[in-house]
Amino acid sequence: NAGVTQTPKFQVLKTGQSMTLQCAQDMNHNSMYWYRQDPGMGLRLIYYSASEGTTDKGEVPNGYNVSRLNKREFSLRLESAAPSQTSVYFCASSTGLVSNQPQHFGDGTRLSIL
Amino acid sequence: EDQVTQSPEALRLQEGESSSLNCSYTVSGLRGLFWYRQDPGKGPEFLFTLYSAGEEKEKERLKATLTKKESFLHITAPKPEDSATYLCAGAQGGSEKLVFGKGTKLTVNP
Repeated sequence: NAGVTQTPKFQVLKTGQSMTLQCAQDMNHNSMYWYRQDPGMGLRLIYYSASEGTTDKGEVPNGYNVSRLNKREFSLRLESAAPSQTSVYFCASSTGLVSNQPQHFGDGTRLSIL
Repeated sequence: EDQVTQSPEALRLQEGESSSLNCSYTVSGLRGLFWYRQDPGKGPEFLFTLYSAGEEKEKERLKATLTKKESFLHITAPKPEDSATYLCAGAQGGSEKLVFGKGTKLTVNP
């Protein structure tokens, strides 16, 4: 019962470095999402993919890019990391909110940018 | 602007002391109100979805209710293992987006 798997679990970067966060789900879900969670801010949507081959911006997309590699995998890329991107990043998947189905979350990637 | 507000931010209870968490929402065309539990170092874990005012759902010591403006998560006779942060989120009409509240951190002391 893997569900949503995120790699890596922890990462430290220097300002200006690039990195890709990986996410894979084994529930045959159509929709996938990337959030960041900061103290006092709650979960904020970065990007989402409603189906394979499509991606859309969320609330805080600046500084990030995404790729929906196939139905299972959705990656998040930081091209030039900034200290403001220090956060915990969560990936989620769902059969689709249009059908009112819940999102299922991975356990996150804790990213620190020095 | 769509918004979800949770109160209180933090709540300490003694084991067995029942209480309620509040989630007030202004979400355009709300299609569903979701409750999640989040343990430290983990991702949110789905608890309930409520679709219409008057609806109630229960799971063990938890009961979620929904009105046209807010949702409540009632915790009856809590145990220390109920300690967690509880998140509520509204699904926007015609959208794939969830609007999350900031959460209520619940601590249940033995």
